[in-house]
Amino acid sequence: KAGVTQTPRYLIKTRGQQVTLSCSPISGHRSVSWYQQTPGQGLQFLFEYFSETQRNKGNFPGRFSGRQFSNSRSEMNVSTLELGDSALYLCASSLARVRNEQFFGPGTRLTVL
Amino acid sequence: GQQLNQSPQSMFIQEGEDVSMNCTSSSIFNTWLWYKQDPGEGPVLLIALYKAGELTSNGRLTAQFGTTRKDSFLNISASIPSDVGIYFCAGPPNAGGTSYGKLTFGQGTILTVHP
Repeated sequence: KAGVTQTPRYLIKTRGQQVTLSCSPISGHRSVSWYQQTPGQGLQFLFEYFSETQRNKGNFPGRFSGRQFSNSRSEMNVSTLELGDSALYLCASSLARVRNEQFFGPGTRLTVL
Repeated sequence: GQQLNQSPQSMFIQEGEDVSMNCTSSSIFNTWLWYKQDPGEGPVLLIALYKAGELTSNGRLTAQFGTTRKDSFLNISASIPSDVGIYFCAGPPNAGGTSYGKLTFGQGTILTVHP
């Protein structure tokens, strides 16, 4: 079974721009969670989607948004980029109803200049 | 919110040595997960624990779910150079409540193995 894939792997943007990141979960996984990883804050939960609905959201500003499609693929969008948004953005998928095991993709490294 | 505290923050060991690290919380967790992350990659799930007192192995790795449900331990036996990386503990917060898709992570233990 193919793992979680994320595109693009690397991205460089300038302040004020917006960005869209994509995540394809493991086949059969309907839950997709997004995390931001920085050296200072570690891994922080952004939001989770299941069956095209956002079920949970972390403490991030409204500039961070996401969506999920009927095939469970998910996108996250960050608008009006700030320097502090530079981070590794990780997507994880799970079966949702089976315990709490999440499987992560390789991440998208976003650099904001 | 619930926080996970990992120790030690970093370890420098010789190849062949055994490694022990732990994760503690002020709140009860119903699940403990251990992940390993290599540079520039996403975390990889190593072991999942679901019952207090549970002891689970995955090759040279052994993890335990603490009996108080507020801690967990990971041991690596006979370390090899490819064990290098950052090890994270994680768990869903809000035991008994809804925490859809959310994992709380410890700050990680950085492991360096000298050949």
